[in-house]
Amino acid sequence: DVKVTQSSRYLVKRTGEKVFLECVQDMDHENMFWYRQDPGLGLRLIYFSYDVKMKEKGDIPEGYSVSREKKERFSLILESASTNQTSMYLCASSLGPGGQGARAFFGQGTRLTVV
Amino acid sequence: QQQVKQSPQSLIVQKGGISIINCAYENTAFDYFPWYQQFPGKGPALLIAIRPDVSEKKEGRFTISFNKSAKQFSLHIMDSQPGDSATYFCAASYSNYQLIWGAGTKLIIKP
Repeated sequence: DVKVTQSSRYLVKRTGEKVFLECVQDMDHENMFWYRQDPGLGLRLIYFSYDVKMKEKGDIPEGYSVSREKKERFSLILESASTNQTSMYLCASSLGPGGQGARAFFGQGTRLTVV
Repeated sequence: QQQVKQSPQSLIVQKGGISIINCAYENTAFDYFPWYQQFPGKGPALLIAIRPDVSEKKEGRFTISFNKSAKQFSLHIMDSQPGDSATYFCAASYSNYQLIWGAGTKLIIKP
């Protein structure tokens, strides 16, 4: 079965810090995604990548950047953490376009608290 | 046009009852409609999915009903069990890798 692993379950960071969230998938999926999940707002797409070194902005990219140097790894970077970035962050991967190729496999999530 | 509207936001059902969650969309180009289930502390996981060429898909106690003309689809959970208590998300995709998500429904099954 596909495994998507996020490097941390819980993180506490200070305002202004640079924060790195790491995600690794083991199924050679082309596509990888970063979402944030907040109560009542569902899943909001921050960035996605459909190939190595490629990235596309999602719905809420402000304050975030990403890096995909290897196919299996997709990193989310908070350039200068702020309290409004306190959230659950979810990484996902999927195989490719069309039908079940859109099926996304999720990591367990990283709960980030910025103080 | 990109939105998927999900209702209700929360739902309480007695054990053994039927849980029904509804979603509506605007974009007729959507061609894949999955439902995801998320337990506390876990990432969402695919529960069941449907393509628009069928009106219903059943997997065990879970059924998706799809109404193409009304641009609506729903999840029915028959004989709901306490272990079904979770947050459910509908989503839609159109021949690419992006999923457009509903806002989620928190389902509680009372014993």
